[in-house]
Amino acid sequence: GQQLNQSPQSMFIQEGEDVSMNCTSSSIFNTWLWYKQDPGEGPVLLIALYKAGELTSNGRLTAQFGITRKDSFLNISASIPSDVGIYFCAGRQGGSEKLVFGKGTKLTVNP
Amino acid sequence: NAGVTQTPKFQVLKTGQSMTLQCAQDMNHEYMSWYRQDPGMGLRLIHYSVGAGITDQGEVPNGYNVSRSTTEDFPLRLLSAAPSQTSVYFCASSYTIGQGGGYTFGSGTRLTVV
Repeated sequence: GQQLNQSPQSMFIQEGEDVSMNCTSSSIFNTWLWYKQDPGEGPVLLIALYKAGELTSNGRLTAQFGITRKDSFLNISASIPSDVGIYFCAGRQGGSEKLVFGKGTKLTVNP
Repeated sequence: NAGVTQTPKFQVLKTGQSMTLQCAQDMNHEYMSWYRQDPGMGLRLIHYSVGAGITDQGEVPNGYNVSRSTTEDFPLRLLSAAPSQTSVYFCASSYTIGQGGGYTFGSGTRLTVV
C-alpha cells in the first residue's frame, strides 16, 4: 500500500524550543492532514491542507502543503509541556476517501 | 453531540474467541473506517465504508469483518481471535471528500489476545 515517510521518529527538546517535522511520499496527495495523539486517546486533527503551497497556522502550529504535492511540514513554535504526544501526518489521494498515515513523530518536551 | 463512540475500551480475549468492537457516530458522517495501531507501525486501515450498505477492504483486512446497515454504526468483527490481533483499534468518521475536513477518531479499544 501507499506509504508516507515521516521524520524524525522521535524528538527530545527543551521547553521553549521550536520543533519541525515532515512527511514525504513518492506519490502525489490532494490533501495533507496533521494529527496529534495524547496517551490513551485517539488522534485529534490539528491542521488540514488542501492546496499545493498552502501555509496554515493554528496557534503556535504552522503546516505547509509542499509545492510538489509529495510532502508536508509541521512546525511548532515555543514548545510547552502539553505539546508532548505523537504527531501523525496523513494524506488523501485524488478520488479516494481513504487516509494514509505516517508512522508518527513522538515528541518529548523537558520543562 | 458525542462524536465517535467506541465500546468496549478494554478487552481480553482467548485465542479462537470471536467478538465485535462497536463504533457509533452522531455527526451524520457518510464515511467510516477502522484502523489498528501497533508500536512503530502507525495507523493501518482495516476496513472502510463510504455509506450504508457499502464496505471495502483496507490495508490489513484479514481476520476481520465489517457491515454498515445504518449511517451511524460500523461494527468490526473478529471471527477467531489470534495473538497477532493484539492492538489498539480506532474507529474514525468523516464527511465525504466534497465536504472537506479530516477524520474524527474515537478514543480506541485496547484488545489483548492471549
